[in-house]
Amino acid sequence: QQQVKQSPQSLIVQKGGISIINCAYENTAFDYFPWYQQFPGKGPALLIAIRPDVSEKKEGRFTISFNKSAKQFSLHIMDSQPGDSATYFCAASKYGGATNKLIFGTGTLLAVQP
Amino acid sequence: GAGVSQTPSNKVTEKGKYVELRCDPISGHTALYWYRQSLGQGPEFLIYFQGTGAADDSGLPNDRFFAVRPEGSVSTLKIQRTERGDSAVYLCASRTSGSTDTQYFGPGTRLTVL
Repeated sequence: QQQVKQSPQSLIVQKGGISIINCAYENTAFDYFPWYQQFPGKGPALLIAIRPDVSEKKEGRFTISFNKSAKQFSLHIMDSQPGDSATYFCAASKYGGATNKLIFGTGTLLAVQP
Repeated sequence: GAGVSQTPSNKVTEKGKYVELRCDPISGHTALYWYRQSLGQGPEFLIYFQGTGAADDSGLPNDRFFAVRPEGSVSTLKIQRTERGDSAVYLCASRTSGSTDTQYFGPGTRLTVL
């Protein structure tokens, strides 16, 4: 059972454009939603995370928008740069739970063209 | 400071062989996770350690997989009678025991079973 669905599978954006990646979750017990960035041959690295007490969180060029009623959240990358080209994963977990294990989406391969 | 390290970075083995994968977490991190990432997929949870004990091993696919963390620091993932379907990147992550949920990932071990 896939508990976190991510789209699109791949995305091509021109330099300076906006990249948008969407995720939807099923388990209403989830209350921590991070985004990870992964470069080839590297492990995932935390980019930005949000908890459902706010609808938006911004850090530099990266913004998470969160819609609790729809059980959806998205990552927006403003002014996309070629260095942003990577695979992005959304994830979800139960914050402060016994395990805090992350349930990941299937990933989005982003290519930013110069 | 040093991040999560994993050895070896690559492991090629033959079907039926036994393998061990090592993870050195960030110093002082009491929580340690193993995930498996198949090609084109997001990481999938395998097992979680809090200190020396396996607090959640619900993600281990079968009894051929086992993990230990005898002194609460380094962890070893052990796979018996390897199968071609075990081929994947095995990721280790660690975090503090505090309220933060940030999991820091290592670069992974790419396991190939011929």
